[in-house]
Parts: sequence; C-alpha cells; structure tokens
Amino acid sequence: AQKITQTQPGMFVQEKEAVTLDCTYDTSDPSYGLFWYKQPSSGEMIFLIYQGSYDQQNATEGRYSLNFQKARKSANLVISASQLGDSAMYFCAMREGAGNQFYFGTGTSLTVIP
Amino acid sequence: GAVVSQHPSRVICKSGTSVKIECRSLDFQATTMFWYRQFPKQSLMLMATSNEGSKATYEQGVEKDKFLINHASLTLSTLTVTSAHPEDSSFYICSARARGHQAFFGQGTRLTVV
Repeated sequence: AQKITQTQPGMFVQEKEAVTLDCTYDTSDPSYGLFWYKQPSSGEMIFLIYQGSYDQQNATEGRYSLNFQKARKSANLVISASQLGDSAMYFCAMREGAGNQFYFGTGTSLTVIP
Repeated sequence: GAVVSQHPSRVICKSGTSVKIECRSLDFQATTMFWYRQFPKQSLMLMATSNEGSKATYEQGVEKDKFLINHASLTLSTLTVTSAHPEDSSFYICSARARGHQAFFGQGTRLTVV
C-alpha cells in the first residue's frame, strides 16, 4: 500500500485565493511526522511545514497551514492568499517513528493564475 | 538553518563515462544521508541510504555496482554513476537529517548522458 497518496496531479488557483492540496497517509506506527515540501522548476526541495502525530494543534507557518485530521489520516496543505510565486510542485511526505527515511507522495502541480 | 549543498547542479557526460555527485552538510553532522532519483513530473524515488563509515543500503532494484555511494565523513556523501548510459539521465537529489524533524535537501543534480 502507498504510504502517501496525493490524488490531485494538477491544481489551478486564482491569485489571492486560498487553495487546499490533499494528502492522505497510511501507517500503523503511532509516532510519525508529516511534511510538505515545495519544488519549483529549479528542482530544489523547500521545506514548508511539519506536523507531528502527537501535536494537538494544526501546524501553521505564515500563509501555510496543515489541516491534520488524524482519524481520517489526512494532512492537507492550505495555502492562503496565493501568489504567483507559489506555482510549483508540492510534495507531501511522512517519516515513521524514529526512522530517517521519508516517504513521498506523487506530488501536486499548482498553478497560480493572475 | 541547516544547509545541504549538492554539486554539480548540472552535468552532461558521454555514454560510458562516470560521474561523481557530492552532497555536503554545511553546518551539521549527518551520519545518514539519502540519495533520490526523480524522473520528470514524478515523485522522488529513494535509491539508497548512505551511512557514514559503513556500506550504503540500497533500495530494491537499484544496482549497487552502478550507483556507488561513499560516505567518507560526517559531512560528505558522494554518488558515482558508473559507466553512464542515456537511461541514467535524471535528476538526482540528496538529503540529510539534522537534529529535529525535517530533512534538508541539496539543490539537486540534473544529469544528462549523451
């Protein structure tokens, strides 16, 4: 089974609007971490936000927030007030327990329309 | 914050030659580094886990004699693509985990074998 599932290959959003990128995960480990990374066309992976499985509150980092629904095993990324520079690939990832390995989803290509 | 530097960012080589890619952790010690391969518009595929002072752990289907990994120090891991062929052309990216939750990624190397 896929550890991380991103069902939206591509998304479009109007500039200044909010957008939600979906991510579901699969693990039997009670301790895990969920991450979102942004990959612009240059290829670098930029860390956006982190959510720990034991965190009580949803993570927020500036315009990024993570809608963590533990029972549904979902960790959707919400980008508010989209900007043209937000156009990129977005990857959801998970790390289980104390392990080092990251499992990545297939990514969502976001295009912000002026 | 922690920084991982990867070099070169872009390389073109002739078929049959070998190419070395370096991954350095600039301000932290990384006992474990990871090497990923990414095809266009696809997710990151873990190739191998590089362990300082010991042999790398390769994922299933990755040829260890083709993709040589050396982790000679706590700040440097290298990936050598030996006897490169056009099908080895891809984007290669390394990551390392500092203390804390997230992994930091290098800038990636775009390899083109002609």
